[in-house]
Amino acid sequence: GAVVSQHPSWVICKSGTSVKIECRSLDFQATTMFWYRQFPKQSLMLMATSNEGSKATYEQGVEKDKFLINHASLTLSTLTVTSAHPEDSSFYICSAIDTWDQPQHFGDGTRLSIL
Amino acid sequence: AQTVTQSQPEMSVQEAETVTLSCTYDTSENNYYLFWYKQPPSRQMILVIRQEAYKQQNATENRFSVNFQKAAKSFSLKISDSQLGDTAMYFCAFMRGSGGGADGLTFGKGTHLIIQP
Repeated sequence: GAVVSQHPSWVICKSGTSVKIECRSLDFQATTMFWYRQFPKQSLMLMATSNEGSKATYEQGVEKDKFLINHASLTLSTLTVTSAHPEDSSFYICSAIDTWDQPQHFGDGTRLSIL
Repeated sequence: AQTVTQSQPEMSVQEAETVTLSCTYDTSENNYYLFWYKQPPSRQMILVIRQEAYKQQNATENRFSVNFQKAAKSFSLKISDSQLGDTAMYFCAFMRGSGGGADGLTFGKGTHLIIQP
C-alpha cells in the first residue's frame, strides 16, 4: 500500500516552455503533498507544501510564479515549471501523506532537462 | 529553523560488516520525528527507519537500528551484516511534530555508503 506515482519520469524540453509534473497517490487520500528538488549529488530541498483545496506554502527562496503548484483533489498534485530555463534543470520529487504523523511516501521523481 | 548534519560524505565497508552512519541535528522543537532514508542509484527514496523524539527506546528494523541521543541531538544509523544491496546514499531527515498540519522534511547532505564484496 501507500503508493505514490509521479509522471513523467523524464522530460526534455526547450528553454521558455512550461512543463507540468503530476504526483498521484494511488491507494490513499493525500491530505498533504510535498515537492522537493534535488540537484546532482546533493540533498533534497523542500520547495513547497500543498494541502488539498488550498494554496501551496512555498519555502523561502522558491519563486511562486515560476513553480506553480495545484492540489485540486485528495489524490493529485501538480507542479508546473513555467518558462523553464536551463537552471531549472533538476530532479523533482513529490511525496504525500494521509495523516500528519505518518511517514511521507515518495514518488519516483522526475528528471527535468531544459535545453 | 532546524538543521541536519551528516559529517561522512562517503563510507566503504566489506560485505557482512557492521557500519554506523552519523547524524546530528539542531532544533528548538521538543516534539519531532527523525528518519533515515535510502536512495539507491534509481533515486527512489526508501524509508529505512523512523524515530519519534518522545520515545526513549531506539527504533529497530531488522538489520537496521538507531542510536538516538536526544540531549546530544544525535541520531546515528547502524547497519548490521551489511549486504551489497545496502549500497546507496543515506539521508538523515528531520520533521517537526505538529497536530496542526504536516511539515516537510529537512534533509542532511547524505552519506554515500559503498558495500564492497
